[in-house]
Amino acid sequence: DAKTTQPPSMDCAEGRAANLPCNHSTISGNEYVYWYRQIHSQGPQYIIHGLKNNETNEMASLIITEDRKSSTLILPHATLRDTAVYYCIRPNNAGNMLTFGGGTRLMVKP
Amino acid sequence: DSGVTQTPKHLITATGQRVTLRCSPRSGDLSVYWYQQSLDQGLQFLIQYYNGEERAKGNILERFSAQQFPDLHSELNLSSLELGDSALYFCASSLQVSGANVLTFGAGSRLTVL
Repeated sequence: DAKTTQPPSMDCAEGRAANLPCNHSTISGNEYVYWYRQIHSQGPQYIIHGLKNNETNEMASLIITEDRKSSTLILPHATLRDTAVYYCIRPNNAGNMLTFGGGTRLMVKP
Repeated sequence: DSGVTQTPKHLITATGQRVTLRCSPRSGDLSVYWYQQSLDQGLQFLIQYYNGEERAKGNILERFSAQQFPDLHSELNLSSLELGDSALYFCASSLQVSGANVLTFGAGSRLTVL
């Protein structure tokens, strides 16, 4: 089962860090964790992915726990434009990244 | 511009009709994925093609079909349309990045069935 668990919604003040958690307790050792976001009805946008080590790019940081059962996406300085639904995704058994759950609706407030 | 092109952007049609949605993947990407997103719903995976062959199938209705052509573009055919088929349809193509499989999505095709 390629399920992940995320809180349905979160608020964040503009300029503050947004920390979005994800539980993927059944992930296997060679499966990546991916994060995407969808702003309103636009196409989902890739943010970042990771396997074991923490990762950082121009958009965000990804912190993966040592047991790999959970991860946190960090937007270091959230802006109003970061208001979106954030999806944490892992591949299914066939290795395909197919299942998008409900995601976390992040609301960045002034 | 993500590099994944979907046409048409908007389509309005009547129940019982048939429509075709088109997707051109990013240059060099061999896999194409189709997703459906109904109002306030999550993204539902429909089908995946890799280099012209069907690779994975989701909850795609029998009234829907897809194919990927030799030039790697893909078409999603929706027939005997019902009101409930009104949705955003997204296409994505995949790029292998350091062993990972990153999807790039198009802007979507919004289908309205009246």
